[in-house]
Order: sequence, then structure tokens, then C-alpha cells
Amino acid sequence: GQSLEQPSEVTAVEGAIVQINCTYQTSGFYGLSWYQQHDGGAPTFLSYNGLDGLEETGRFSSFLSRSDSYGYLLLQELQMKDSASYFCAVKATSNTGKLIFGQGTTLQVKP
Amino acid sequence: EAQVTQNPRYLITVTGKKLTVTCSQNMNHEYMSWYRQDPGLGLRQIYYSMNVEVTDKGDVPEGYKVSRKEKRNFPLILESPSPNQTSLYFCASSLRSLHEQYFGPGTRLTVT
Repeated sequence: GQSLEQPSEVTAVEGAIVQINCTYQTSGFYGLSWYQQHDGGAPTFLSYNGLDGLEETGRFSSFLSRSDSYGYLLLQELQMKDSASYFCAVKATSNTGKLIFGQGTTLQVKP
Repeated sequence: EAQVTQNPRYLITVTGKKLTVTCSQNMNHEYMSWYRQDPGLGLRQIYYSMNVEVTDKGDVPEGYKVSRKEKRNFPLILESPSPNQTSLYFCASSLRSLHEQYFGPGTRLTVT
């Protein structure tokens, strides 16, 4: 089967840095993306990695290592509003529209 | 305003009563998809469409139908809903990159 593994919960304090990992086991790999979802809301796109390395977007960065089948989302200068669920997603086939999501990581930011 | 809209936002229905959840996007996106979200299971893809008249199954298509007659609309049809289809449903669209998807606000469906 195809699977993405993420920690179910992460807790951090305001102003800190937190890393959310995503390990994937899929038949193929054509990119890893990250989404944020606040309670009761719609997922919103955060970041995408198609090649190895770090992508930076403001306080958020995302990293990919295809040789390790691994990526992470790094959130810096944490704010209370960053409390949300974070999902990684992998496109495992080249010529279809299938996207596989992880089960999500709930981040709680404490004062 | 660029957006994906879904209707209804909330629906309570009974087993076997056919229903349709509409999805519409105003961004001229080619790709559209339906997901269901259940506690502890993340987002699971039901169906997707790469363009008009082109649809295909995701990971959990059983009990669902879709159609894509126009670029902007991608309705989800439950011909005979059952209680195990009680879930939060999201429609999403994207222009070229499958990864940067825009999600609708969600439809919370309860089947009794």
C-alpha cells in the first residue's frame, strides 16, 4: 500500500521553532506539498517541494530528501494563530490526478 | 474574488435518499477533486477530474459519482447514501500544479 506518516500531535511555545516530519512510502514520487487547516476550516496550501532541498516562504520552510523518502515543514517564530493541523501530501503517479494525504499533525502553540 | 464554493454547507439526510453536493470554481482551473475527511484518517480522495469530461477514481470512490460537464462545476452525487458516508467533504481545484490546490469551505454530511 501507499502511506504517509506524520506525528499525530506536536506542542510548542510561542516564539519557538517546530519541525513536522513526513515520511512516505509510495509507488512513485512526483512532489510533496503541505497544507494547513484550522479547526472547522478548509485546508490551505503552504508549500511544495519537487526537488531535494529547502523551500522558504516567510516563517515557513519545507524540506525534501527523495533518497530518504522524507520531508519536513519548519515553522519559525511560532504564533498562537499557527495552532492548526498540518498535512503533507504526495503525488505518487505521473499521469493521474491522484494525491495522497497524511493523517495530519495537530500543532498546539502555548503562550 | 477567486474562490471554490460548495453547497450545501450542512446536510442531514436519511439512508437511501439521493443527494448532490455542488462545487463551483471561478478561477478557470482545469483540475478539480473531491475529498472526504474523517477523524484520524486525514483527507482521502474520492474522485478527481483533469479536465472537462475527464474524471477518474481516487482512493475511496465506492458509493459516489461525479460529472464534469463544464469547467467550473464538479458535483458529487450520492445515489443511495449510507451512514458510513457521514463525513466532512471538501472540493478542491488547481490550475496546473496538482499540489497547489484551493479548497472549498466544506460540506458536513450526516446520513441517518
